Amino acid sequence: AQTVTQSQPEMSVQEAETVTLSCTYDTSESDYYLFWYKQPPSRQMILVIRQEAYKQQNATENRFSVNFQKAAKSFSLKISDSQLGDAAMYFCAYTTDSWGKLQFGAGTQVVVTP
Amino acid sequence: EAQVTQNPRYLITVTGKKLTVTCSQNMNHEYMSWYRQDPGLGLRQIYYSMNVEVTDKGDVPEGYKVSRKEKRNFPLILESPSPNQTSLYFCASRRTSGGAGELFFGEGSRLTVL
Repeated sequence: AQTVTQSQPEMSVQEAETVTLSCTYDTSESDYYLFWYKQPPSRQMILVIRQEAYKQQNATENRFSVNFQKAAKSFSLKISDSQLGDAAMYFCAYTTDSWGKLQFGAGTQVVVTP
Repeated sequence: EAQVTQNPRYLITVTGKKLTVTCSQNMNHEYMSWYRQDPGLGLRQIYYSMNVEVTDKGDVPEGYKVSRKEKRNFPLILESPSPNQTSLYFCASRRTSGGAGELFFGEGSRLTVL
C-alpha cells in the first residue's frame, strides 16, 4: 500500500514565481520524520528540507518552506522565487526513526520556464 | 569529503550474468540501504543493514543479495540478472543517533539487463 502520495506528476512555474508541491502520507504513528529530496538531471539525491513530526513549527531552508499539517497528514513544499536551477524531480519521503526505511512518493517533476 | 561511492555508474549486461554493484561510505554510518528507482514508482528499498553482519529485506528483495562484512561497504549482488531488474540503483547511508537524519545517497548506478 502506498504510504506517501504525490498527486502532481508535473508542475510548471515561471522564474521568480512560487510553486507548491503537495504530499500526503498515511501513518498511525505519532512520531516520525518527513523529508523533501531534489533530484536534478545529474540524478544525485539532494536533501532539501526535513521536518520532525513532534515540532509544530514548519521547517524552512532559504527559499524552500513546508506546510506541515499533522492532523491532515499533509506535507507540502513551497519553492519561492523559483530559479532555473530548481528544475528537478522532487520526492517526498517518510520514515518512523533512524532505523526505519525511507518511504518515497512517486515524485513531482518541476519545470521552470524563463 | 563525506560521501557514498558506488560503482559502476553505468552497466549494460545480459540476462543471467552475475554482477555486483559496490557501495562504500566514509562517514562511519551504521545504517546502509539499497534502493531502486523506476518511473512512476519513486524509490523502493531493496535491502538494508543496521550494522556489520546484520541485513534485512526491504520491499523488493527478490533477485538481489547483499552482504555487510565491513562497516563501510555494502555491495549489491545480482546473481542472475533479468530484464525486469533494469533500473537506477542507489546506495545510501545515515547515522542512527539523534533521530532520523539525512539519508546520504550515492550518485546512482544505471543498470540495463538485455
